[in-house]
Amino acid sequence: AQSVTQLDSQVPVFEEAPVELRCNYSSSVSVYLFWYVQYPNQGLQLLLKYLSGSTLVKGINGFEAEFNKSQTSFHLRKPSVHISDTAEYFCAVRGNTGGFKTIFGAGTRLFVKA
Amino acid sequence: DAGVTQSPTHLIKTRGQHVTLRCSPISGHKSVSWYQQVLGQGPQFIFQYYEKEERGRGNFPDRFSARQFPNYSSELNVNALLLGDSALYLCATARLNGEKLFFGSGTQLSVL
Repeated sequence: AQSVTQLDSQVPVFEEAPVELRCNYSSSVSVYLFWYVQYPNQGLQLLLKYLSGSTLVKGINGFEAEFNKSQTSFHLRKPSVHISDTAEYFCAVRGNTGGFKTIFGAGTRLFVKA
Repeated sequence: DAGVTQSPTHLIKTRGQHVTLRCSPISGHKSVSWYQQVLGQGPQFIFQYYEKEERGRGNFPDRFSARQFPNYSSELNVNALLLGDSALYLCATARLNGEKLFFGSGTQLSVL
């Protein structure tokens, strides 16, 4: 079984500042890792994913994340945020041994201030 | 190509009633998953279907059931509705061995 912990429920940040949204996971098997974004009244959209290979993963809208197996973390970063990045961000994990059951964290609300 | 479509978008029911939510996957997607998202929380896994068979079930009571049809569309049924069933119900689809989930915009269910 897998679980995901997002360490911050809310992250306020000023426009053009860097941001890091933290995610830790636990699993008894190797995993795939994901970050999704949800804008108000919408479904979730994939930002980026880690399947294998390079531990630094680049996604859409200038986001990137680094997989750290020893620390079981998959933190999301962006060097300079925009007002339009204000949204809910979800870290998710899926075991890579088959099946499609994806487990989501509770979410981090990123609020970008002018 | 059309994305994942869910219907209805909004629904109001009273306690004890039942509800059916529908999901049409992206063309070529054979896996459908259902998630419940309560306000302020992350999506909670309810069911996953692939090739019309249930492949995974989350920690939800038997009042929740689902099925997948030959055209890979899916229905989620909830019987004997409770106030706590009020939530956004999300459908997510994927290809064979797909790693990426494509989400619909959800059905907002309110139980009064």
